[in-house]
Amino acid sequence: DSGVTQTPKHLITATGQRVTLRCSPRSGDLSVYWYQQSLDQGLQFLIQYYNGEERAKGNILERFSAQQFPDLHSELNLSSLELGDSALYFCASSVGETGGFPDEQYFGPGTRLTVT
Amino acid sequence: DAKTTQPPSMDCAEGRAANLPCNHSTISGNEYVYWYRQIHSQGPQYIIHGLKNNETNEMASLIITEDRKSSTLILPHATLRDTAVYYCIVRVAGGSGGSNYKLTFGKGTLLTVNP
Repeated sequence: DSGVTQTPKHLITATGQRVTLRCSPRSGDLSVYWYQQSLDQGLQFLIQYYNGEERAKGNILERFSAQQFPDLHSELNLSSLELGDSALYFCASSVGETGGFPDEQYFGPGTRLTVT
Repeated sequence: DAKTTQPPSMDCAEGRAANLPCNHSTISGNEYVYWYRQIHSQGPQYIIHGLKNNETNEMASLIITEDRKSSTLILPHATLRDTAVYYCIVRVAGGSGGSNYKLTFGKGTLLTVNP
């Protein structure tokens, strides 16, 4: 158990709908990352937040957005869903700004999104 | 981040050492080598990291060549539960700013441990 929790575990929805995925980081971690894993694209970094602020963006679609709340949990919002958005979505957390030292990321169990 | 090259798959007998190679010939002086693994659709799991010295922890050993262009992850006594995709990742560690923190995953090596 990594200490990172994600809800829900599974989500089935229809095209055009909007869903919210939730992540609670490990106690003490200030950074939250979102990754998408699909069969054709592999594991891809989407976005990172540190202590409530967006810090880095990867291949995140404009239909997707995220935020990190004062209690440090994070939500990933996916809207206007398409069949191709079906994937595993992982959240990871880390200490964050470590001033040059290695910063391991700890991953949650993921949310499996199926768009029908 | 430097690109890495790993074999797509490897087999190992249970109880034997598993040696997983990784080439990172374009690695920069301030880039670390990280290893993660993913057991069948679970979240990736951190294994070990290193800069230039060999490293060992309770899970594995990491051997980095002197020129730092390649490394080997060693699982000393592989078990069936070590069957997973192993990812070798090279990245700049720490510092301020955002883009240094992401992990860029390649296709990894599927290690199958056989009974």
